[in-house]
Amino acid sequence: GIQVEQSPPDLILQEGANSTLRCNFSDSVNNLQWFHQNPWGQLINLFYIPSGTKQNGRLSATTVATERYSLLYISSSQTTDSGVYFCAVYHNNNDMRFGAGTRLTVKP
Amino acid sequence: AAGVIQSPRHLIKEKRETATLKCYPIPRHDTVYWYQQGPGQDPQFLISFYEKMQSDKGSIPDRFSAQQFSDYHSELNMSSLELGDSALYFCASSPGEQLEQYFGPGTRLTVT
Repeated sequence: GIQVEQSPPDLILQEGANSTLRCNFSDSVNNLQWFHQNPWGQLINLFYIPSGTKQNGRLSATTVATERYSLLYISSSQTTDSGVYFCAVYHNNNDMRFGAGTRLTVKP
Repeated sequence: AAGVIQSPRHLIKEKRETATLKCYPIPRHDTVYWYQQGPGQDPQFLISFYEKMQSDKGSIPDRFSAQQFSDYHSELNMSSLELGDSALYFCASSPGEQLEQYFGPGTRLTVT
């Protein structure tokens, strides 16, 4: 099956810093989503981005499908950005595969 | 905006008991997905339904079954529960297959 790798696995930032999270996938994908799982366990949709670039406030994402990777940019990080960031991909069917996540801690 | 509703939010069961989790998708979403997330792990796809028919199956144990009803809500039935079934169970819905999925708040199942 398709492999999804996220890096870095852990990231600690000072409030106000910027960061880039990466998601690599081993085969062509039909769709890709980025999620934020907050400390209470909720999975929050960030981006639905099979290709191209999207921006939403301090967050933006870019997917280069031909090179099999996606990047999530977080600017001016806040303590509320803490949690785990997952990318997830569809390959051939409804089986959406998640990466292992990047655990982000933003310190005040 | 309406979101995916899951019930119950928390459930405690003993080994060998059964459990039923319910999911109410976003209105006009015809595709429902179930995921299991163990402690410190990423969500694992269990099963999906499109227009009330099972569409894909992932790593769902034989002890588990699910269905989607005429009103598009879905239920995950879990029998002969084991300690290893303790996890967060998510339901998600989308307005069609392989489109953007929206997740519910999850049901936290604890098996003692």
